[in-house]
Amino acid sequence: GESVGLHLPTLSVQEGDNSIINCAYSNSASDYFIWYKQESGKGPQFIIDIRSNMDKRQGQRVTVLLNKTVKHLSLQIAATQPGDSAVYFCAESTGFQKLVFGTGTRLLVSP
Amino acid sequence: DAGVTQSPTHLIKTRGQHVTLRCSPISGHKSVSWYQQVLGQGPQFIFQYYEKEERGRGNFPDRFSARQFPNYSSELNVNALLLGDSALYLCASPNPSGPTDTQYFGPGTRLTVL
Repeated sequence: GESVGLHLPTLSVQEGDNSIINCAYSNSASDYFIWYKQESGKGPQFIIDIRSNMDKRQGQRVTVLLNKTVKHLSLQIAATQPGDSAVYFCAESTGFQKLVFGTGTRLLVSP
Repeated sequence: DAGVTQSPTHLIKTRGQHVTLRCSPISGHKSVSWYQQVLGQGPQFIFQYYEKEERGRGNFPDRFSARQFPNYSSELNVNALLLGDSALYLCASPNPSGPTDTQYFGPGTRLTVL
């Protein structure tokens, strides 16, 4: 079946460090992937996306890497700030606007 | 422009009751999706509606139903509530100016079943 999972449930970093959040997916037919950030009590917030015909995409302070060979996705956050503290989800698109989410990684940023 | 809006923000019900949650998509878009997020887990797909028709359904019992109105707002209905239905219910829609795959989420409705 379809599944998207994360390797680490919690990641603790110091302010200014670079953070890397990993995600494994199982559906090799998925062609679109999204990273979301969710703060406590709020809905998921879109961060960055990538299509399966790409292996890297950069945004402001964030980079997503896609390795289709091993079905692995990562989110890199440069110069992590306390405001980046949240739960991060990867999601894959398996059809018409249906997303399959993993369980999430909590990022804790210490000042 | 308003994003996805949902109401109410919080709701408390007892087992066996019925609940109706409401959502309005991003202005200009005709698609709405519903997700359930149990505490500590990622969101799970429930329904997707486009142009008032159901286009997808997740693995949820028939107690869950939804509909979409001519103005593209949507309601999610849950009958015979169980304790396990306690969750954050999220509504999402694409942005008319962006890729249709990209879902933007509302703030959610926190449902507590006692």
